[in-house]
Amino acid sequence: KFMLTQPHSVSESPGKTVTISCTRSSGSIASNYVQWYQQRPGSAPTTVIFEDSHRPSGVPDRFSGSIDTSSNSASLTISTLKTEDEADYYCHSYDSDDHREVFGGGTKLTVL
Amino acid sequence: EVQLVQSGAEVRKPGESLKISCKASGFSFANNWIGWVRQMPGRGLEWMGNIYPGDSDTRYSPSFQGQVTISADKSINTAYLQWHSLKTSDTAMYFCARLGFSASYYFDYWGQGALVTVSS
Repeated sequence: KFMLTQPHSVSESPGKTVTISCTRSSGSIASNYVQWYQQRPGSAPTTVIFEDSHRPSGVPDRFSGSIDTSSNSASLTISTLKTEDEADYYCHSYDSDDHREVFGGGTKLTVL
Repeated sequence: EVQLVQSGAEVRKPGESLKISCKASGFSFANNWIGWVRQMPGRGLEWMGNIYPGDSDTRYSPSFQGQVTISADKSINTAYLQWHSLKTSDTAMYFCARLGFSASYYFDYWGQGALVTVSS
């Protein structure tokens, strides 16, 4: 069974760019797509990236996703940070061997 | 418009039973997987299980197998999460979410969440 590991927290200033990583513990990161969900305080999660790098309609193009097989990780990059981007971000993938959904532990993004 | 509307907050005592609901609209409920996700206070998201209402095929996380029951009634487009004997450790926010499909499945729409508090 694999795990997805994220940094507990990151912080950056408005207008800057931040990248949040999600490292898969075993098996290739390319084996199953990775999604990213944003959860603002007191709200339900919403999808900001699906299938590694696709943005749902309505998500600004400041949000981008990628995978890197050399580090076996996925990344969420948010450019031109706004205070409204302050939230928890979770990566998610599917374990097709054990038929289970896997979430990363979440990263708290502070924009200060 | 796709919507998942969950039942309201609940307060129960340990040992009591509970069934919370997730009513879907704006899509073909029977032909889409619905998942349940737990979020304990101050903690991250944990997958509990998925159900396909069309045939009630249900997949549980090993962590929740035997602890909860996931069901669905396709005649009223509603999914359920049920406990037979609650514990204080079941205190959490519970989200339902649709598993949409493009090239793979992912949680594309989420309910607003239902807070369950278990306390003596």
